[in-house]
Amino acid sequence: DADVTQTPRNRITKTGKRIMLECSQTKGHDRMYWYRQDPGLGLRLIYYSFDVKDINKGEISDGYSVSRQAQAKFSLSLESAIPNQTALYFCATSDSVAGEQETQYFGPGTRLLVL
Amino acid sequence: AQSVTQLGSHVSVSEGALVLLRCNYSSSVPPYLFWYVQYPNQGLQLLLKYTTGATLVKGINGFEAEFKKSETSFHLTKPSAHMSDAAEYFCAVSEWDYKLSFGAGTTVTVRA
Repeated sequence: DADVTQTPRNRITKTGKRIMLECSQTKGHDRMYWYRQDPGLGLRLIYYSFDVKDINKGEISDGYSVSRQAQAKFSLSLESAIPNQTALYFCATSDSVAGEQETQYFGPGTRLLVL
Repeated sequence: AQSVTQLGSHVSVSEGALVLLRCNYSSSVPPYLFWYVQYPNQGLQLLLKYTTGATLVKGINGFEAEFKKSETSFHLTKPSAHMSDAAEYFCAVSEWDYKLSFGAGTTVTVRA
């Protein structure tokens, strides 16, 4: 079984709808991240969380919110989806153990289309 | 703040030829450097990383990269390309804050 799972894998929604993307991990890591990938732009950080009570904005947080329900779960919400949020979204995790903190492990991605 | 530049958005190589993907970074502190690979319809997989110590880093699938501080570079190489190397490759940098900044990516195609 995959260590980092994302649901759904694909989603089509309409402008103005609220949607939630979910991420779960079995790696036991404290740190979790949400990125979006756009062609020619690489991956950009949306939000990150270093533990259950810690939530931080990344470089492109506008229009998004997150919830860290448990150590293993980190959800990304689009409160009112717009077409330019069409992208591939990745969840990632990393450990807090010294020597391992810098390496991130990625889920398979969620492909979102906003019409 | 750190940034990453990958030279060339597309690279085409013949099977058995050298693969060279270029990455330059800017950072205000000694960085951690990474190469990730993304196969079609999959997430990102770590190829290799540099944190401290030896500047020539060996990774999975025969890839290696060399950290050159004076050139602020971390180029990725593989001596002999295989068809299975066709993928998108991302260089990334972290300034000890455990957040990654990614380059735009380089897509590699391998010709038979």
